[in-house]
Amino acid sequence: GQQVMQIPQYQHVQEGEDFTTYCNSSTTLSNIQWYKQRPGGHPVFLIQLVKSGEVKKQKRLTFQFGEAKKNSSLHITATQTTDVGTYFCAGSNRDDKIIFGKGTRLHILP
Amino acid sequence: NAGVTQTPKFRVLKTGQSMTLLCAQDMNHEYMYWYRQDPGMGLRLIHYSVGEGTTAKGEVPDGYNVSRLKKQNFLLGLESAAPSQTSVYFCASNRQVNTGELFFGEGSRLTVL
Repeated sequence: GQQVMQIPQYQHVQEGEDFTTYCNSSTTLSNIQWYKQRPGGHPVFLIQLVKSGEVKKQKRLTFQFGEAKKNSSLHITATQTTDVGTYFCAGSNRDDKIIFGKGTRLHILP
Repeated sequence: NAGVTQTPKFRVLKTGQSMTLLCAQDMNHEYMYWYRQDPGMGLRLIHYSVGEGTTAKGEVPDGYNVSRLKKQNFLLGLESAAPSQTSVYFCASNRQVNTGELFFGEGSRLTVL
């Protein structure tokens, strides 16, 4: 079945440093989504990527979808304390399931 | 609009007891999902529904049943709870699977003793 793998599992960065999390799927995806979950909260949608090679930016966040539509990345430039949380990728293909990666927990050191 | 509402928010069960988690959405969404979240395991799909009267199995369906009798409601049942089902359960909905943005409920924390 479809699997979505995400690395790293944890990342500690100094405030102001950059952060990247990577997502890989065992199958070609129709689209990939990214979510952020704050401690004690529920996942909140950040963005969806649909096209091969697509790159989207939201302020300090840059999202990429691979050419083969099997991998994706989220890059945060100059992290801030408000970026703390767990970042999840979630992929779907043509069978209506939305499968999540295990997430990357980001800790910011002041 | 309330969005996605889950009840109850907390529940403690004894092994072998049964219970039902209710998810209600007021956004007229076709698709609804139940996930469980365990430390280090991310969100795992239990069951999902692509419309009223339909349900399908996800990644970890064993020990759970679901029903979607009304479009706005998606029920998750545990017939005989086991300690391995201790988890935080999230319900989510979206308009269509390829239009992005899953809307999540606040979660239901279930402990099975």
